[in-house]
Amino acid sequence: SQQGEEDPQALSIQEGENATMNCSYKTSINNLQWYRQNSGRGLVHLILIRSNEREKHSGRLRVTLDTSKKSSSLLITASRAADTASYFCATVETGGFKTIFGAGTRLFVKA
Amino acid sequence: GAGVSQSPRYKVAKRGQDVALRCDPISGHVSLFWYQQALGQGPEFLTYFQNEAQLDKSGLPSDRFFAERPEGSVSTLKIQRTQQEDSAVYLCASSLEGVTYEQYFGPGTRLTVT
Repeated sequence: SQQGEEDPQALSIQEGENATMNCSYKTSINNLQWYRQNSGRGLVHLILIRSNEREKHSGRLRVTLDTSKKSSSLLITASRAADTASYFCATVETGGFKTIFGAGTRLFVKA
Repeated sequence: GAGVSQSPRYKVAKRGQDVALRCDPISGHVSLFWYQQALGQGPEFLTYFQNEAQLDKSGLPSDRFFAERPEGSVSTLKIQRTQQEDSAVYLCASSLEGVTYEQYFGPGTRLTVT
């Protein structure tokens, strides 16, 4: 399989709680991106973090990147039922063209 | 159009038939990607175009799969002699410049091979 690895595979939390999901990858990269996919809907870009950045924020999202460990985490704070979706990380090897997506974390936020 | 569009949205093909899936990227976007997504999995890269040039086709599963983007805008993914294992959602995405930019995805074409 081409895919990177994400954990956990599934996560169920109460509304208002924080959700953290992790992603590992295998090669050197220019940047790492996170996407969300709602049931039955398309993928939506959430945030991009470049290889020379360690942390990035966007609204309730916080992304970290550790290039020495080849890993990233996505934190969603104060979760809402509408955050229920699958979340994927995606990377492109430096100098390459192939985008590698993780297998995804399925987040369920209970109202 | 405002976003990436794909047609048809659903396609049922009998095993052995040829199918053609169309992608209309966002106007002016240089890069175009095709992915295959199985149920419960993340998208798997198939191929990448920069304008009309197909720069990476390493993800195409077999020589039955062929993609083109002859004028650097609309792209077609063709699958010849479809097999049951080809059943999946085929996603198209475009980005403004190269591979390091955010990708905008279409709604996908769900292909079912019977």
